[in-house]
Amino acid sequence: GENVEQHPSTLSVQEGDSAVIKCTYSDSASNYFPWYKQELGKRPQLIIDIRSNVGEKKDQRIAVTLNKTAKHFSLHITETQPEDSAVYFCAASRGGATNKLIFGTGTLLAVQP
Amino acid sequence: GAVVSQHPSRVICKSGTSVKIECRSLDFQATTMFWYRQFPKKSLMLMATSNEGSKATYEQGVEKDKFLINHASLTLSTLTVTSAQPEDSSFYICSALSGQGIYEQYFGPGTRLTVT
Repeated sequence: GENVEQHPSTLSVQEGDSAVIKCTYSDSASNYFPWYKQELGKRPQLIIDIRSNVGEKKDQRIAVTLNKTAKHFSLHITETQPEDSAVYFCAASRGGATNKLIFGTGTLLAVQP
Repeated sequence: GAVVSQHPSRVICKSGTSVKIECRSLDFQATTMFWYRQFPKKSLMLMATSNEGSKATYEQGVEKDKFLINHASLTLSTLTVTSAQPEDSSFYICSALSGQGIYEQYFGPGTRLTVT
């Protein structure tokens, strides 16, 4: 079945450094790849997404890259701040009317002040 | 815009009782809603896809008689956990799609269910 692998499971960086989280998906028909940030006990919040017709997308300190051939996509956070500390989930979907999201296993990011 | 609410936010019930969780899209019509379950420090596991006016589509391994889903209107889906057991204790989160061709899912705040 569909599967999304996510690495690393935990990531600790110093404030100001960059953080990179990587995901690999198995369903070659996937064409939508969102990233969610979830704080403890809260709902997942969409922070950035990318569709399969684009290789890279950037929004201020956050960027996502997609390699469809290799079925990899990555989240890049630059100039990290303590408030970036949270669990980050990648997901993949075929899009369309049903848009079922398959989530990665999550990465706990800790930004040390 | 695109706000999704859930009620209740927390519920504690005794084994054997049933619990209903509501998911509402407050400012848009949701033709499709999804129900997820999340264990502590784990990822979101899709339980079922709920389409307005039709039967829900359950993921493999999810008991449809245990987790009853009703999507009676374009703004409301309900999940009923029947004969709840301690192993049903979890964080249940819904999400909603605003329409066909729209990719983004909007998540509710979640419901913490504890079965004693």
